[in-house]
Amino acid sequence: DTEVTQTPKHLVMGMTNKKSLKCEQHMGHRAMYWYKQKAKKPPELMFVYSYEKLSINESVPSRFSPECPNSSLLNLHLHALQPEDSALYLCASSQRNGGSDTQYFGPGTRLTVL
Amino acid sequence: GENVEQHPSTLSVQEGDSAVIKCTYSDSASNYFPWYKQELGKRPQLIIDIRSNVGEKKDQRIAVTLNKTAKHFSLHITETQPEDSAVYFCAASIRNTGNQFYFGTGTSLTVIP
Repeated sequence: DTEVTQTPKHLVMGMTNKKSLKCEQHMGHRAMYWYKQKAKKPPELMFVYSYEKLSINESVPSRFSPECPNSSLLNLHLHALQPEDSALYLCASSQRNGGSDTQYFGPGTRLTVL
Repeated sequence: GENVEQHPSTLSVQEGDSAVIKCTYSDSASNYFPWYKQELGKRPQLIIDIRSNVGEKKDQRIAVTLNKTAKHFSLHITETQPEDSAVYFCAASIRNTGNQFYFGTGTSLTVIP
């Protein structure tokens, strides 16, 4: 399996809802990433997990809570989001986190916050 | 941290012509430079990459060149086709800093049939 998968593809939620985004890879990669992308802008790094431990948190608001249950899975828990949080949320993975390795992106979850 | 600039922001070419997109970076410790293509509504896909120990790399119609002295790298697409129309992002990664990618601002390429 050479792909990163993400569910759901689309998510609409109200500002008081709690929801989760899921990401999975079976390439044996040990680093996984969450990005936020607005239209026609580059991906913006949110979190990096290396060997299932959080290694980078780019000052993301606490309404976004990442979780890495095992080396293949990455979750992003969402709570009390704002309309400006509407974006494409991309997951990526790479072999390692210490060197300069190719990151492979999932198809993303298109999130709309009402 | 690293700062990556990308030009132009939009580019239109006739089918069959060449397209060139340029990026500059600021940190001389950057050692890995991937290029991603993102079609509308789809994931960024790696199309070519280059490491700092190489000056040029080619894959069919796509090539990347790296000038470490000037701190710039370029994407060259020859014999462009309508399916090359997409947004292209360059990125740079600094050695031993957790594989964080610093992305350029993107180039929207349109190939006119």
